[in-house]
Amino acid sequence: GENVEQHPSTLSVQEGDSAVIKCTYSDSASNYFPWYKQELGKGPQLIIDIRSNVGEKKDQRIAVTLNKTAKHFSLHITETQPEDSAVYFCAADTGRRALTFGSGTRLQVQP
Amino acid sequence: EPEVTQTPSHQVTQMGQEVILRCVPISNHLYFYWYRQILGQKVEFLVSFYNNEISEKSEIFDDQFSVERPDGSNFTLKIRSTKLEDSAMYFCASRISGGQETQYFGPGTRLLVL
Repeated sequence: GENVEQHPSTLSVQEGDSAVIKCTYSDSASNYFPWYKQELGKGPQLIIDIRSNVGEKKDQRIAVTLNKTAKHFSLHITETQPEDSAVYFCAADTGRRALTFGSGTRLQVQP
Repeated sequence: EPEVTQTPSHQVTQMGQEVILRCVPISNHLYFYWYRQILGQKVEFLVSFYNNEISEKSEIFDDQFSVERPDGSNFTLKIRSTKLEDSAMYFCASRISGGQETQYFGPGTRLLVL
């Protein structure tokens, strides 16, 4: 089955800096890659997603890139703010619609 | 904005007892999911449900687990005889249609088995 690896497990940045979180996947059939943000005590909230026919997608301060050949995708957050502090999960979907999640990255934005 | 809701938010039970976790998916969504997250670990897929039947299930979803859509709004996960290792956060998710991949998650139910 699909396996998703996520790095780093923790990331601390200064407010205003950029943050990058990277994921790799194993199943070349995976074609949909969402990113979720999880705040303490809440469920995962979708922040951005990308499909395998696209190499990059941007939404304001958040962008995701996908390299299908290398089977990795990354989340980029620019101009980080304290409210960006949360746990971020990447996930992959092979088309069976059962998401396989990475292990999560705890992002801390220092004011 | 429509949301997935889950009840209860917390559940404490004794080992061997049955628990039912409840979810109300977004009203026009057709696909429903349960995931779990053991403390400090990954979110793991349990089961997907469409058209009143299970579409797919993981190896975690053994005979102790069952799902049901008892009416037009609720989607439930039952654990027949809870074990200590069932302690986790359980998330329900829903998706609108076959062509739309986005899954929307509820806030979760924290289950503690003593």
